[in-house]
Amino acid sequence: EAGVTQSPTHLIKTRGQQATLRCSPISGHTSVYWYQQALGLGLQFLLWYDEGEERNRGNFPPRFSGRQFPNYSSELNVNALELEDSALYLCASTLSSGDGLHFGNGTRLTVT
Amino acid sequence: EDQVTQSPEALRLQEGESSSLNCSYTVSGLRGLFWYRQDPGKGPEFLFTLYSAGEEKEKERLKATLTKKESFLHITAPKPEDSATYLCAVKPPPGGYNKLIFGAGTRLAVHP
Repeated sequence: EAGVTQSPTHLIKTRGQQATLRCSPISGHTSVYWYQQALGLGLQFLLWYDEGEERNRGNFPPRFSGRQFPNYSSELNVNALELEDSALYLCASTLSSGDGLHFGNGTRLTVT
Repeated sequence: EDQVTQSPEALRLQEGESSSLNCSYTVSGLRGLFWYRQDPGKGPEFLFTLYSAGEEKEKERLKATLTKKESFLHITAPKPEDSATYLCAVKPPPGGYNKLIFGAGTRLAVHP
C-alpha cells in the first residue's frame, strides 16, 4: 500500500512569491490534514479537508489556503511568502473513522 | 489548558541499554494517544494508538503503555537504527484529529 506522497520534496522561493504544495493521501483515505513544522517548534495544525470541503483551519493567516480535489488529493497554497514561512510542511491522511494520522515526508519550503 | 509534555528532551543510550520515554498529558476525557517516530527531514511515522488506561501495544523493540495521566514508550535492547525523535500526540474531546496536541518530542541517540 502506497503511503501519503507529497511534492515537491524541496521548494525555494523568495519573499512575496506564492508556493503550491501537493499531497496524495493513502488510497481510500478521504480526510487530509496539513501541518507546519518550523525549526525548533512542534507540529502546528494548518488545515483539514474532508470530502472536498474545508472543515477546519488552525491559527494561520488567510494567505494559507488550499483545496481538496474529487480524487481526495490536496493542494496547499501560501501567498505573499514571508521569511518565517520557511518550514517543513506535512500532509497527513486518515479514514473518517480512522486510527491515527499517517504522514507524508513533507515539503521543505525555504523562503529567501 | 490541555498540554502534552515529553521527557527527557534528549536521551543518549548505548546499544542494548533499555530505557523509557515519557509523555504526560493534562487532557481530560482522552480520545486517543498516538506515538510517532520521526527521522531527520522526514515525516512522522505512525507507531501506536492507545485509547484507555492499562492498554499496551508492542512492535519489535518498542512497547507503549498508557495510564490516566501519562504514557511510556519502552525501548528494549535498542539498536543504532532506533535513533530518531519520538513524538507523542493526544486527541482531546470531542475527538477530531484537527485538535491533536503534539509534544515537543524526545531525541533518542543510540550509540554502538
